[in-house]
Amino acid sequence: GESVGLHLPTLSVQEGDNSIINCAYSNSASDYFIWYKQESGKGPQFIIDIRSNMDKRQGQRVTVLLNKTVKHLSLQIAATQPGDSAVYFCAENIGGGFKTIFGAGTRLFVKA
Amino acid sequence: DTAVSQTPKYLVTQMGNDKSIKCEQNLGHDTMYWYKQDSKKFLKIMFSYNNKELIINETVPNRFSPKSPDKAHLNLHINSLELGDSAVYFCASKGGYGYTFGSGTRLTVV
Repeated sequence: GESVGLHLPTLSVQEGDNSIINCAYSNSASDYFIWYKQESGKGPQFIIDIRSNMDKRQGQRVTVLLNKTVKHLSLQIAATQPGDSAVYFCAENIGGGFKTIFGAGTRLFVKA
Repeated sequence: DTAVSQTPKYLVTQMGNDKSIKCEQNLGHDTMYWYKQDSKKFLKIMFSYNNKELIINETVPNRFSPKSPDKAHLNLHINSLELGDSAVYFCASKGGYGYTFGSGTRLTVV
């Protein structure tokens, strides 16, 4: 079956350090990947996306890396701040279709 | 302006009751969704409508019935509520590839 999994359910980092959140996916047909951030009491919010024809994409303080060979996705957050504390989800989609599959989520704690 | 709004935000009800959650989006998107998030934060798709037509209907008990009167609204009606229905329900709309989520409805069945 299709699945999107995460290596670590929780991650604790010191403020100012870099964070890396990992994700594994199993559907080789997936060609579009998205990272979402969910703060407490809110819905998930789009952070950054990447298409399968790329292996790296950078945003503001965030970078997504895609390794299609091992079906692995990661989200790197530079200079992590307390406001980055949240649950992060990776999600996969096929061909821009209607169905997006979400991973289980990783909770990021940022220690001041 | 709230892009995707759900009401109510909290819903506490007794087993066996029937309840509805409403969702509206003002983004002009054609596709809307209902997701269920359990206590472990896992997001599971339930339904999707595209221009008022049902396009995704995952394995969900038929006590759950979505209704889309127009493409800006997708409501969720739940009959004969059970304890296991307790969760946070998220409405979302899809524009391009990414989703815009509402802030969720926390349903507690007692």
